[in-house]
Amino acid sequence: QSVLTQPPSVSGAPGQRVTISCTGSNSNIGAGSDVHWYQRLPGTAPKLVIYDNNNRPSGVPDRFSGSKSGTSASLAITGLQADDEAEYYCQSLDITLSHVVFGGGTALTVL
Amino acid sequence: QVTLKESGPTLVKPSETLTLTCTVSGLSLSDSRVAVSWIRQPPGKALEWLGNIFSNDEKIYNVSLSSRLTISKDISKRQVVLTMTNMDPVDTATYYCARIGVLRGILMDFFDPWGQGTLVAVSS
Repeated sequence: QSVLTQPPSVSGAPGQRVTISCTGSNSNIGAGSDVHWYQRLPGTAPKLVIYDNNNRPSGVPDRFSGSKSGTSASLAITGLQADDEAEYYCQSLDITLSHVVFGGGTALTVL
Repeated sequence: QVTLKESGPTLVKPSETLTLTCTVSGLSLSDSRVAVSWIRQPPGKALEWLGNIFSNDEKIYNVSLSSRLTISKDISKRQVVLTMTNMDPVDTATYYCARIGVLRGILMDFFDPWGQGTLVAVSS
């Protein structure tokens, strides 16, 4: 069981918008900890796509956005493209455990 | 460009000690803005943070594994080493090293970039 809960899979057609949720608790997201998102393409290293809830690292297209409210966060991808097909992971800091925690990952399929 | 690459055995026996090396390029392990983490992912399971090492050689470990973990570094070789004792089949996982993210010179709590990972199986 992951400390942060993500749906196992989501899907969307090219051009559509998809969202991936990340649900935590008052020990992490709800405690004010920032949420970060990673993309892992098949056979590659995880890549940071959103940091501090809603900031994009240089080079990440603005089709990717993040939000946070209460004990949850979301990653949204608009204008879905075939090469967005990957696993996406959320991450935050748990103040009770005193270390970072991750979601179980969500597999995005582009139909 | 900062890169990290993990290396080590792909198979260890139960009760053995695992030693993995993370070789970094594009940065110095003596730089105060540099800290490296180890993270693992068992097949079909979530990512799990293992520990960090900082430029001043301070280390912090996941409490649930701290008795088995040691992280060290060799600045001249640009290497960070993870040692995990008493390996068990449940430790079968892809092991990653990653740089702790930096914003405006301050260490943050995200990871960027990551190494490609190395799969370690524990089996007799």
